[in-house]
Amino acid sequence: AIRMTQSPSSFSASTGDRVTITCRASQGISSYLAWYQQKPGKAPNLLMYASSTLRSGVPSRFTGSGSGTDFTLTISCLQSEDFATYYCQQYYTYPFTFGPGTKVDIK
Amino acid sequence: EVQLVESGGGLVQPGESLRLSCVASGFTFSSYWMSWVRQAPGKGLEWVADIKQDGSDKYYVDSVKGRFTISRDNAKNSLYLQLNSLRAEDTAVYYCARGATTVTARGYFDSWGQGTLVTVSS
Repeated sequence: AIRMTQSPSSFSASTGDRVTITCRASQGISSYLAWYQQKPGKAPNLLMYASSTLRSGVPSRFTGSGSGTDFTLTISCLQSEDFATYYCQQYYTYPFTFGPGTKVDIK
Repeated sequence: EVQLVESGGGLVQPGESLRLSCVASGFTFSSYWMSWVRQAPGKGLEWVADIKQDGSDKYYVDSVKGRFTISRDNAKNSLYLQLNSLRAEDTAVYYCARGATTVTARGYFDSWGQGTLVTVSS
């Protein structure tokens, strides 16, 4: 199975900050990568797919990039509603696998 | 509005069985790949299984192969997950999730249910 890693595992940030989360795949996955946001007690919410395609309705402050094994999710200007846990997920091959998550909390 | 509503979770003993259901509405269910994804308490997400639109193809994560069975009834807009030989490590919230209409995009999930909790404990 392809192993997904994320860094950092957690960090504190302030509203207005620019934040970047990194995701790495143990082998090449082309651009078959999605990003999700999850808030406590809620189901995950798709933000991005195909590495850099923003899902309709998701604010443009979220951007994704990368291909192969290295990917990033950037939030250009953190808003209060963005404090959550973020997961990357590869869908290049079965079994689909998620990263361990990156928790973004308030500084 | 797309809606996915899971049910069937509960407390069971190791070795027992459970059947989860997910009723879909707001979209043409028969046109989409569908998946189950689980999340153990306080842990990350784990994809469990998916099924093609007509039910002809099914895929599973290794840890559930031979124990879990995914199925669907397009006439009832319903997705199922039969869980047999349950283990403590199967304890999780189980989410029903919508894939895509095409095989290349089937693996990301744009709609999720609220989840149903399965607890395996003696």
